Amino acid sequence: IAGITQAPTSQILAAGRRMTLRCTQDMRHNAMYWYRQDLGLGLRLIHYSNTAGTTGKGEVPDGYSVSRANTDDFPLTLASAVPSQTSVYFCASSEDIETSPQYFGPGTRLTVL
Amino acid sequence: AQKITQTQPGMFVQEKEAVTLDCTYDTSDPSYGLFWYKQPSSGEMIFLIYQGSYDQQNATEGRYSLNFQKARKSANLVISASQLGDSAMYFCAMRDMDTDKLIFGTGTRLQVFP
Repeated sequence: IAGITQAPTSQILAAGRRMTLRCTQDMRHNAMYWYRQDLGLGLRLIHYSNTAGTTGKGEVPDGYSVSRANTDDFPLTLASAVPSQTSVYFCASSEDIETSPQYFGPGTRLTVL
Repeated sequence: AQKITQTQPGMFVQEKEAVTLDCTYDTSDPSYGLFWYKQPSSGEMIFLIYQGSYDQQNATEGRYSLNFQKARKSANLVISASQLGDSAMYFCAMRDMDTDKLIFGTGTRLQVFP
């Protein structure tokens, strides 16, 4: 079934550790996104990529980095995790059409202690 | 700056009744898109319905319809004939057509009771 996969499903991480959240889509969408979801704040955009080879900063990019080496993969890296990065992380993708919705992965629940 | 506001933290509705979830937005751009997503307790984000700023008619998708009032900058979601499975968080979002970014509201938790 076509869609977006994320790994891991959940992770507990010690503060200061490096962590990469993986995201892969098989819909050949050019645009991909990373969001974090926190209670009472909804979803906030961390980074995005309009096409392979390009990335951009979203609303809350500090402490995160991304890369887009190919169309399918869009990993999110926390170089040195801090407790405030405890959240649920969603990856999403969309077509290059104005009316196209963003389709979301199942999410990764990250706890930083 | 663009902003989405959902003023109802929680809503209750009886099964088979209709319910309206409110969403207002703020943007100075003439071109934008509005989306509604459903997030059940399992956590996934499910796309429900889309309305473009230039669309003349309100969007409908099955039991979902969008009451789009451009002058009031509102895009309320109407769910007809509520079902127990409609119990979930509902998020309104706006797409900036230039940057393709989605801005989300804080969500409304809908509970459908028998």
